[in-house]
Amino acid sequence: AQSVSQHNHHVILSEAASLELGCNYSYGGTVNLFWYVQYPGQHLQLLLKYFSGDPLVKGIKGFEAEFIKSKFSFNLRKPSVQWSDTAEYFCAVMGGTYKYIFGTGTRLKVLA
Amino acid sequence: EAEVAQSPRYKITEKSQAVAFWCDPISGHATLYWYRQILGQGPELLVQFQDESVVDDSQLPKDRFSAERLKGVDSTLKIQPAELGDSAMYLCASKAGGSPLHFGNGTRLTVT
Repeated sequence: AQSVSQHNHHVILSEAASLELGCNYSYGGTVNLFWYVQYPGQHLQLLLKYFSGDPLVKGIKGFEAEFIKSKFSFNLRKPSVQWSDTAEYFCAVMGGTYKYIFGTGTRLKVLA
Repeated sequence: EAEVAQSPRYKITEKSQAVAFWCDPISGHATLYWYRQILGQGPELLVQFQDESVVDDSQLPKDRFSAERLKGVDSTLKIQPAELGDSAMYLCASKAGGSPLHFGNGTRLTVT
């Protein structure tokens, strides 16, 4: 069965600090991995995705994530956060038949 | 950019009443999902359609929840009777082939 675990539920950072959000998944087959973001009052939006190839993927707004197969991880990073990055971040895994399973989310607050 | 449409945006109902939510996916998107998101948690898959067929409804509480997508386009999720624990955000999402998942703005349900 697919599952996703996000370790940090709440993160508070100052502007310009570096960010890393943890995500571990469980799935026996070929995985497709995603990070989605939900800004206050908005719908979930795709931040970045990994299907295959280069394990370091770059997304929108300066975010990147690294797929480490041996660790079943897909951590999200950003070198320098901005106040506008305040949002909730969800890691997701897509298995067979396009079934998407989401983690519990990490609420990020960036202090100006 | 095309969007997934959901209505109503907010719904307040008394327990034991029936309630229905509607979703119109992006045109051409064959796969449609209903998720439930309880405050502070990640989206939980309730049902997944491929065209008009149910692909996965293993997490749908079938004693009170039902979902249909009769013509393979728009979809309705119904709860009857509603219980206090059903208070949550109900999200609809759609995708086509290899495209990412697109979410609607959701329906926030409050059961009193």
